[in-house]
Amino acid sequence: QVQLVQSGAEVKKPGASVKVSCKASGYTFSGYHVHWVRQAPGQGLEWMGWINPKSGGATYAQKFQGRVTMTRDTSISTAYMELSRLTSDDTAVYYCAREDLVAVPAEFDYWGQGTLVTVSS
Amino acid sequence: DIQMTQSPSSLSASVRDRVTITCRASQGIGIWLAWYQQKPEKAPKSLIYAASTLQSGVPSRFSGSGSGTHFTLTISSLQPEDFATYYCQQYSSYPRTFGQGTKVEIK
Repeated sequence: QVQLVQSGAEVKKPGASVKVSCKASGYTFSGYHVHWVRQAPGQGLEWMGWINPKSGGATYAQKFQGRVTMTRDTSISTAYMELSRLTSDDTAVYYCAREDLVAVPAEFDYWGQGTLVTVSS
Repeated sequence: DIQMTQSPSSLSASVRDRVTITCRASQGIGIWLAWYQQKPEKAPKSLIYAASTLQSGVPSRFSGSGSGTHFTLTISSLQPEDFATYYCQQYSSYPRTFGQGTKVEIK
């Protein structure tokens, strides 16, 4: 069955960076874009960007340009999202989700379980 | 950016009630709209895509309609497991944007 399994919770200090992983299984990793979405406590969903696992190309939301980097390692079917210069406003649950590369544009049909990133001094 | 506006922000309903949630896009998005259900402390779950197509395994009491700028999600007979927050999302263009969510609570 399709699964996206994310890395565990992180606590970071302001100014630090965090790298969250998303390991895919149950499908062909290169056949689906991986998107990243975050959700601050008690808030809605905010799209951050996506990566094409086949090419490695990534597109980021303007809000995160210069601060986010999305990468992948096809040998272990894993996508990564690194966010730098963290502030308390970055405290949120970070989700990865997949989009069918063939059906683009497409919905996010499967999501990871989420990774809580807490930024606190 | 395309703004997605949901209404209401929250509602109270009873089991077996019919519930309708509206989502409006700030510009036309064709049928490129999805609905997600999120329960507390859980990841969103895809319910509907292309405005009206149910994901595999989603109960038939859920339905979606609309195109262009006006969309609706209807739950024909609310069940206890349906109490959750629902989000619409446009995937017509980047950045992908979500509505602010509609929380469905027990009356």
